[in-house]
Amino acid sequence: QVQLVESGGGVVQPGRSLRLSCEASGFTFRNHGMHWVRQAPGKGLEWVAVISYDGSNQYYADSVKGRFTISRDNSKNTFFLQMNSLRTDDTAFYYCAKEGLPALDLWGRGTLVTVSS
Amino acid sequence: QSALTQPASVSGSPGQSITISCSGSSSDIGYYDYVSWYQQHPGKAPKLMIYNVSKRPSGVSHRFSGSKSGNTASLTISGLQAEDEADYYCSSYTSSRTLFGGGTKVTVL
Repeated sequence: QVQLVESGGGVVQPGRSLRLSCEASGFTFRNHGMHWVRQAPGKGLEWVAVISYDGSNQYYADSVKGRFTISRDNSKNTFFLQMNSLRTDDTAFYYCAKEGLPALDLWGRGTLVTVSS
Repeated sequence: QSALTQPASVSGSPGQSITISCSGSSSDIGYYDYVSWYQQHPGKAPKLMIYNVSKRPSGVSHRFSGSKSGNTASLTISGLQAEDEADYYCSSYTSSRTLFGGGTKVTVL
């Protein structure tokens, strides 16, 4: 079954860290760039980061640059988002998405990250 | 503030056609043909509806079509149906970033 499944969300205090994971199945993971996109409750989509198919290139939105790190493990069909120095405005549903066509042609269901004291 | 500008809402009656605009700049929509559109129903993940300005992924209804002129892209939904009521987001892909519009809520009257 072709799918992406996120995990790792939860409630965390401002300034703390959290690591999200996204496990892929049903396609050749190592051939595709992978993205994280977030959506604050009731708000629009915001692109967060992308990692190339082989992990050699990573790009970030200005809002997370220097705080978030995207990485991948092609041997485990999984990629990650390490989030440090979290702020209240990082509260959002975080979606992982596969790059193809080119566009984001497969999305996970999302995992909720709540940053609150 | 979103980099791409969409109207907040668009509405239409069943069977009608509606068009959603997406305004960018000469650095994104105007430069690349990597414009895509996503549909999102409440509580669900986004779904790709259009890519490369006007191409439809397998399984997407022919009622959805896309176009571009200069720095503005458009999504047209023909023969509007109740199931089309959702939020729609445009997107422009570049080599180092992806931009989204603020989203348009489509209401079927």
